[in-house]
Amino acid sequence: DIQMTQSPSSLSASVGDRVTITCRASQTIIKYLNWYQQRPGQAPKFLIYGASSLQSGVPSRFSGSGSGTDFTLTISSLQPEDFATYYCQQSFSFPLTFGGGTRVEIK
Amino acid sequence: QMQLQESGPGLVKPSETLSLNCTVSGGSISSYHWSWIRQPPGKGLEWIGHISYSGGTNYHPSLKSRVTISIDTSKNQVSLKLTSVTAADTAVYYCARHYAPQYSWFDPWGQGTLVTFSS
Repeated sequence: DIQMTQSPSSLSASVGDRVTITCRASQTIIKYLNWYQQRPGQAPKFLIYGASSLQSGVPSRFSGSGSGTDFTLTISSLQPEDFATYYCQQSFSFPLTFGGGTRVEIK
Repeated sequence: QMQLQESGPGLVKPSETLSLNCTVSGGSISSYHWSWIRQPPGKGLEWIGHISYSGGTNYHPSLKSRVTISIDTSKNQVSLKLTSVTAADTAVYYCARHYAPQYSWFDPWGQGTLVTFSS
């Protein structure tokens, strides 16, 4: 199985801050990396595929980068609705696996 | 706009079989792949398994001996059966379309259904 490791597990930030979340795969996944946002009590929402391609309708303040084993999700200017938990997920091979999540909290 | 809705008993007894359905509206179930994903309370996401539009399946190795995913095209439903359940299977269970044009991803998701266990 490909293990996905996210860091940090949680962070505190203020509205307007730039936030970066890291995701590392235990082996190369090329660019088969997705990001999801999950607000409390809600299902995950799909944000980014192919490591850096924004899903339609997702605000442009979200961006993704990376390839191989190391990836990042960046929120350029944090908005109140962005306080949530973020998960990376590899789609390179079965079993499909998620990172442990990064909780973004209000400072 | 495609929508997914999970349904099934919210309470299951240990050692019994958990059965959940996911009803899809706004699209044909036979045109896509589908996955089940679960989330224990306060924890992260775990992929359970996948069924392709042709009926082929892939399951998480840790659950493979207990899981069956199937589709019913007449009802536009995806089903999950998990046998010999224990308290460790307590989770919110989500169904999701597994969209795979080149890269693949889960979108949309159902709202999820909480399954707990009682003796």
